[in-house]
Amino acid sequence: ETGVTQSPTHLIKTRGQQVTLRCSSQSGHNTVSWYQQALGQGPQFIFQYYREEENGRGNFPPRFSGLQFPNYSSELNVNALELDDSALYLCASSAGRFTEAFFGQGTRLTVV
Amino acid sequence: GESVGLHLPTLSVQEGDNSIINCAYSNSASDYFIWYKQESGKGPQFIIDIRSNMDKRQGQRVTVLLNKTVKHLSLQIAATQPGDSAVYFCAEINSGNTPLVFGKGTRLSVIA
Repeated sequence: ETGVTQSPTHLIKTRGQQVTLRCSSQSGHNTVSWYQQALGQGPQFIFQYYREEENGRGNFPPRFSGLQFPNYSSELNVNALELDDSALYLCASSAGRFTEAFFGQGTRLTVV
Repeated sequence: GESVGLHLPTLSVQEGDNSIINCAYSNSASDYFIWYKQESGKGPQFIIDIRSNMDKRQGQRVTVLLNKTVKHLSLQIAATQPGDSAVYFCAEINSGNTPLVFGKGTRLSVIA
């Protein structure tokens, strides 16, 4: 167990809807990164939050947004869901921006 | 550009044999590499890491080798067990925008 928890574990949404995914980081970690993992692929970096500020972003459109709270937990919001957004969304926490990251179990999002 | 890839998408080994999973990276500025294991339905699990100032690092039954000359990384698993069956990813960290860049993964199947 990594101490990183994500909720919900599974979610089904309709195209065009909005979704919020949640992540609680490991104790002592101030950095949270979000990844999207399509079936059969490696995780793709969405963005990272460090001490409540966005600190790096991958090649994802603005409808992917996030937030980090003072307790370093984090949310990933996706607006105007598309079918291709169906994937496993992973949250990883770390003690710094360029240190080892520990992943949660992920949220399986299905868009229909 | 930055990329991390794997030479073989699948690997089958007999139980008790040693496994070698390879990875190539293209960014010579990367200074930290991590191997992750991902079992079905779970998030990636940290296995071992290595910094660019090292050539070799050993853990329990696992060894990572780094060849900076040819930008190659390998993960060796000794006495492979059925519980080692999973997808293995190498990931690199560099001082650019993306904290972790993952390859597509190698699926390791252990034959009893």
